[in-house]
Amino acid sequence: DAGVIQSPRHEVTEMGQEVTLRCKPISGHDYLFWYRQTMMRGLELLIYFNNNVPIDDSGMPEDRFSAKMPNASFSTLKIQPSEPRDSAVYFCASSSDETVNTEAFFGQGTRLTVV
Amino acid sequence: AQKVTQAQTEISVVEKEDVTLDCVYETRDTTYYLFWYKQPPSGELVFLIRRNSFDEQNEISGRYSWNFQKSTSSFNFTITASQVVDSAVYFCALSGGLDTGRRALTFGSGTRLQVQP
Repeated sequence: DAGVIQSPRHEVTEMGQEVTLRCKPISGHDYLFWYRQTMMRGLELLIYFNNNVPIDDSGMPEDRFSAKMPNASFSTLKIQPSEPRDSAVYFCASSSDETVNTEAFFGQGTRLTVV
Repeated sequence: AQKVTQAQTEISVVEKEDVTLDCVYETRDTTYYLFWYKQPPSGELVFLIRRNSFDEQNEISGRYSWNFQKSTSSFNFTITASQVVDSAVYFCALSGGLDTGRRALTFGSGTRLQVQP
C-alpha cells in the first residue's frame, strides 16, 4: 500500500479564499483523523471518522472548517473563508482496530499558508 | 481528559551519547495506548512504538528502548549511542483503549533532539 496520501503538499492562498485539503487513507483502515500542527498549539485533533461517520469534531475551530468522508477511500477538509491564522501543517492519518498494530499512520501533511 | 507532558523542550547531545526523552501522561481510562512518533526535519510523522496499558514490559529495538512505568504514569524513550540521523522532534502520544471509543491521539508538545557530530 502507498500509505496515507494527502494533496496538495503545499498550498498558498489569499485570505478569504476557499481551501480544500484531500486525503486518501490506507485501504482497509476504518478510522480517519485530521490533525493540525502549529508552533503555538502543537499537534491537535480536528476531527475523526469511523466507517465514514464523524465521531468527534470537537477540535474543529469554527464554522469556517468542515470535513467530509463520502466513502472509505476519500476525505476532504475545507476552510471557507480562509484566514492567516489557519496557516499550519494539516495531517491526515488512518488506523484500524482489526490488527494488532493499531497505531495511526500519517500522511506527509499539507502545508497551508494563508496570506 | 487526557494529557501528555513532555517537559524537555530541546535536548542537545554529542554523537554516541545516550539520551532519554521523558513522557508523563494523565488519563482516566483503565485501558489505553501509548505511542512515540518521530518527526524528522522533512516533516513527516514516523511511528516508532505502541504500548498497551496492560503490558509494562520494557522494549528494546536496536538502539531504541522504552521504559513504561504505570506507577509513575511515565513512558520514557532512550536512544543509546545517538547518531546525527536521530536529530528530530519526538512526540509522545496517548489514546484510549479499544473499549473506550477515544481513538484519537493526544500528543505531547514534543522534544527537539539535536545530535551534534
